[in-house]
Amino acid sequence: DAKTTQPNSMESNEEEPVHLPCNHSTISGTDYIHWYRQLPSQGPEYVIHGLTSNVNNRMASLAIAEDRKSSTLILHRATLRDAAVYYCIPQDAGGTSYGKLTFGQGTILTVHP
Amino acid sequence: EAQVTQNPRYLITVTGKKLTVTCSQNMNHEYMSWYRQDPGLGLRQIYYSMNVEVTDKGDVPEGYKVSRKEKRNFPLILESPSPNQTSLYFCASRNSGKRYEQYFGPGTRLTVT
Repeated sequence: DAKTTQPNSMESNEEEPVHLPCNHSTISGTDYIHWYRQLPSQGPEYVIHGLTSNVNNRMASLAIAEDRKSSTLILHRATLRDAAVYYCIPQDAGGTSYGKLTFGQGTILTVHP
Repeated sequence: EAQVTQNPRYLITVTGKKLTVTCSQNMNHEYMSWYRQDPGLGLRQIYYSMNVEVTDKGDVPEGYKVSRKEKRNFPLILESPSPNQTSLYFCASRNSGKRYEQYFGPGTRLTVT
């Protein structure tokens, strides 16, 4: 599994954009970059994933560096409901991981009103 | 509503008393798995199942059993619980054709005294 490095914590104000970075310098060519989040007292929740190109969905955007050694999850307008632990997970979803997600420590995002 | 359900949500038991935590999904997913979450250790996979009657060990299977007799259900069995199995447990499922998005249950907090 690729090793990931994320800030332990970040803070944001409501309605402002948030950029959550992740370094994954040992990522392999077949690893997709997944982001999950875990709200307080809930199970993890899928946010977004990508391979090489930047991706957008209704929840967030994912910006992937050209060398794929880092990525950034972008929440365009943070809300109080976005306060959670965010996990960056490089994984070969269809390969020998057999669907296992390797969760690191993640980034605790605090959103201030 | 598409969801993964777990029961019970909270359980306090004593060492050695067999227990089962149920997991059910209504999305017709082939793949299901169990994780435990402990402070400082993140989420670790216990067992997974690629389909009915197909199960395999994850990273921390000792002391646990699973079965997959029906597609929708994937119970976690602790034959003789011990205090080191006190943890927060999550069940997850995904569609084999949509490998990037896993759905997690709300969690079961187990305390073994």
